[in-house]
Amino acid sequence: QKEVEQNSGPLSVPEGAIASLNCTYSDRGSQSFFWYRQYSGKSPELIMFIYSNGDKEDGRFTAQLNKASQYVSLLIRDSQPSDSATYLCAVIYNFNKFYFGSGTKLNVKP
Amino acid sequence: DVKVTQSSRYLVKRTGEKVFLECVQDMDHENMFWYRQDPGLGLRLIYFSYDVKMKEKGDIPEGYSVSREKKERFSLILESASTNQTSMYLCASSLEGGQAQISHFSNQPQHFGDGTRLSIL
Repeated sequence: QKEVEQNSGPLSVPEGAIASLNCTYSDRGSQSFFWYRQYSGKSPELIMFIYSNGDKEDGRFTAQLNKASQYVSLLIRDSQPSDSATYLCAVIYNFNKFYFGSGTKLNVKP
Repeated sequence: DVKVTQSSRYLVKRTGEKVFLECVQDMDHENMFWYRQDPGLGLRLIYFSYDVKMKEKGDIPEGYSVSREKKERFSLILESASTNQTSMYLCASSLEGGQAQISHFSNQPQHFGDGTRLSIL
């Protein structure tokens, strides 16, 4: 079992819809969670981080963390074609290890 | 804003050459990382460094070495380049954790450079 699991996709949503991206992790000792966006041929760019259970909102993005169920989600409201990218989930375990998921590809169709 | 600068965006080298990839960050971060990213394999950690002259192996260190002589600079060295090292190489940096003896990472994210697309012919 991988430490961080993501569905590779592609996830296709129409423009204006809510895109929901999910990530599960295997170690309950994890404490910090990050979402990165990576456009094709570019490097990952940090878009959200969350440390506590619950929701964290930043503009059109909402990160949701459920430590009991060991998942973290990213919601993108009013999806735009410019949101089409691969989204990487990342987790820090016990302050000693930084794991990245393999990413979910999102396609937003005009 | 954090700035992580990689010396080359594209690089073409021949098999057997010694290849140097350079990375510089301007935010006084303690931690620096080298990854490679290949289609279907995601990000794989090659080496990381949590202090000057300190280094630790990541998941795929074979065929690579690193150097960190100054805090802001972290170099990746391909000792004798091979075609299977053709890849996108990404450098990243982050702030350190508070208790360096037991941890190197705080809750701080990694910030990436633009990447170097390396082709070995």
